[in-house]
Amino acid sequence: DAGVTQSPTHLIKTRGQQVTLRCSPKSGHDTVSWYQQALGQGPQFIFQYYEEEERQRGNFPDRFSGHQFPNYSSELNVNALLLGDSALYLCASSLDRGGLLTEAFFGQGTRLTVV
Amino acid sequence: QKEVEQDPGPLSVPEGAIVSLNCTYSNSAFQYFMWYRQYSRKGPELLMYTYSSGNKEDGRFTAQVDKSSKYISLFIRDSQPSDSATYLCAMSGRTGNQFYFGTGTSLTVIP
Repeated sequence: DAGVTQSPTHLIKTRGQQVTLRCSPKSGHDTVSWYQQALGQGPQFIFQYYEEEERQRGNFPDRFSGHQFPNYSSELNVNALLLGDSALYLCASSLDRGGLLTEAFFGQGTRLTVV
Repeated sequence: QKEVEQDPGPLSVPEGAIVSLNCTYSNSAFQYFMWYRQYSRKGPELLMYTYSSGNKEDGRFTAQVDKSSKYISLFIRDSQPSDSATYLCAMSGRTGNQFYFGTGTSLTVIP
């Protein structure tokens, strides 16, 4: 049973560029959340997708957007990259049981470096 | 004030010691409490998942939640060098939609 998989593992982008990160949830899970983890900090919630819609959003600007596909996989898009966007981006998957989520499992992350 | 406070350490203990890791929080709506282990440059790995107050044990790990004090703990018995990692506490409200993390405690177990 594959766990949560993310691609790519590493990425280097230039300021002002756009980036797309991808996530496949754990088998049987239908909810995907994205987190940003800066060096030495805990993960910060970006947003969550369920039934192909953004269900909840954290305190991140509109430059951060996402999508969920019918197979529950998800993408995170970041536009107009800033140096401060350099971080480990984590995807977490869980299962929605009537509005209550089970425990979340994380992927290995995508390390984004903006130069 | 941050929603979740966690002492970043670093914490260094000899092999075989009992390790105590702690977090405090301010939001009384939190109902789910998790502990994750994160090795360098890897994603967080779920260790313990508890609901409301009480204790939960899994092998060498014991999680405690005291909602009246807004305080959670993770105990590691017979610590091993392979336990050397950063330990993150996380918590969420009733629906579990959004997790609030501590900054993580860096632990080194010395052989």
